[in-house]
Amino acid sequence: KAGVTQTPRYLIKTRGQQVTLSCSPISGHRSVSWYQQTPGQGLQFLFEYFSETQRNKGNFPGRFSGRQFSNSRSEMNVSTLELGDSALYLCASSVGTGYNSPLHFGNGTRLTVT
Amino acid sequence: AQRVTQPEKLLSVFKGAPVELKCNYSYSGSPELFWYVQYSRQRLQLLLRHISRESIKGFTADLNKGETSFHLKKPFAQEEDSAMYYCALNSGNTPLVFGKGTRLSVIA
Repeated sequence: KAGVTQTPRYLIKTRGQQVTLSCSPISGHRSVSWYQQTPGQGLQFLFEYFSETQRNKGNFPGRFSGRQFSNSRSEMNVSTLELGDSALYLCASSVGTGYNSPLHFGNGTRLTVT
Repeated sequence: AQRVTQPEKLLSVFKGAPVELKCNYSYSGSPELFWYVQYSRQRLQLLLRHISRESIKGFTADLNKGETSFHLKKPFAQEEDSAMYYCALNSGNTPLVFGKGTRLSVIA
């Protein structure tokens, strides 16, 4: 089975721009979660989607948004980029939700905002 | 609110020495605890979860509800154990909450 695929791997944007990150989950997985990883804060939860519905949302400003499609693929969008948005954005998929469905992570998209 | 604390940012041990990576959590209910590991240039992956009571790559972790801890242990460290380790907590329908991680460095 192919793993979780995130595209692109690297992105360089300037302040004020917007960006869209894509995530293709493992085949058969219906849940997708997004995390922001930074050296200082570790992994911080952004969103969780299951069957196209947002189940949970982390404590991030409204500039961060996401969605899930009927084929379980997911995208997240960040508008009006700030320097502090520079981070590794990780997507993880799971069969379902809850502790019986461990997360499988992608390699991440490294976003640099200049 | 749930919280996971990993008090050590960096832990260095010699090859063959015992390893203990500390994890404490804050949650009033019955949590599910996990350890995830990220080796150099690899993706974050599940190492073990307390509900399985398993030993993976020689690592074990016991949930101590009295001390609200889930420390990761290995009796004899190997160089290939060098990695970033994250403790994580799940409380049912809420998303997985991660600690900030501990970098384990095993010195030959």
